[in-house]
Amino acid sequence: SQQGEEDPQALSIQEGENATMNCSYKTSINNLQWYRQNSGRGLVHLILIRSNEREKHSGRLRVTLDTSKKSSSLLITASRAADTASYFCATVGDYGGSQGNLIFGKGTKLSVKP
Amino acid sequence: ETGVTQTPRHLVMGMTNKKSLKCEQHLGHNAMYWYKQSAKKPLELMFVYSLEERVENNSVPSRFSPECPNSSHLFLHLHTLQPEDSALYLCASSQARLAGGHVLGLQFFGPGTRLTVL
Repeated sequence: SQQGEEDPQALSIQEGENATMNCSYKTSINNLQWYRQNSGRGLVHLILIRSNEREKHSGRLRVTLDTSKKSSSLLITASRAADTASYFCATVGDYGGSQGNLIFGKGTKLSVKP
Repeated sequence: ETGVTQTPRHLVMGMTNKKSLKCEQHLGHNAMYWYKQSAKKPLELMFVYSLEERVENNSVPSRFSPECPNSSHLFLHLHTLQPEDSALYLCASSQARLAGGHVLGLQFFGPGTRLTVL
């Protein structure tokens, strides 16, 4: 089964620095999504990138997608303490027009120190 | 707030108890989901109701029983659970459509129910 695998598993940085998280997956996708989860809470959708897109921006977030390498990266620029959370990538498979369910990775736990 | 509410937020139960988790969405969506999030494991999809069709994951034990009485409400009935079932249970909803294929749509998550089985 396809599954997003994020790395690193944990990342600790200082406020103001950039944070980069990577995600790899195994099979063809329709789109890839990034979610954020504060400790023990629900997931919040951050950004979706389609298989025919290479880069997407949303505020301080930049997502890239390389379908040849089956990988994606999430860059958070000028990080803030409030960005401390777990970040998950999730893929949606493409089945000839139908889309599969979200398949999540294990996540990267980001800690931003003030 | 995402428009998806879950109750209770915390639940402690014994292995012989029967309890139910409730999810309600206020977004006018037509698909709802149950996920299980355990420590150190990826978020796992348990059940999907989409366009009034139930899609069941065959690996979910029968001690978990979903119920979707209408497009706005989703329940997860629990009975004779095991301690390893302790986890965060997340509900989500989306606007699914048939457009040359079944497209589930962007999912919005509730805050989750933290379940502890003693």
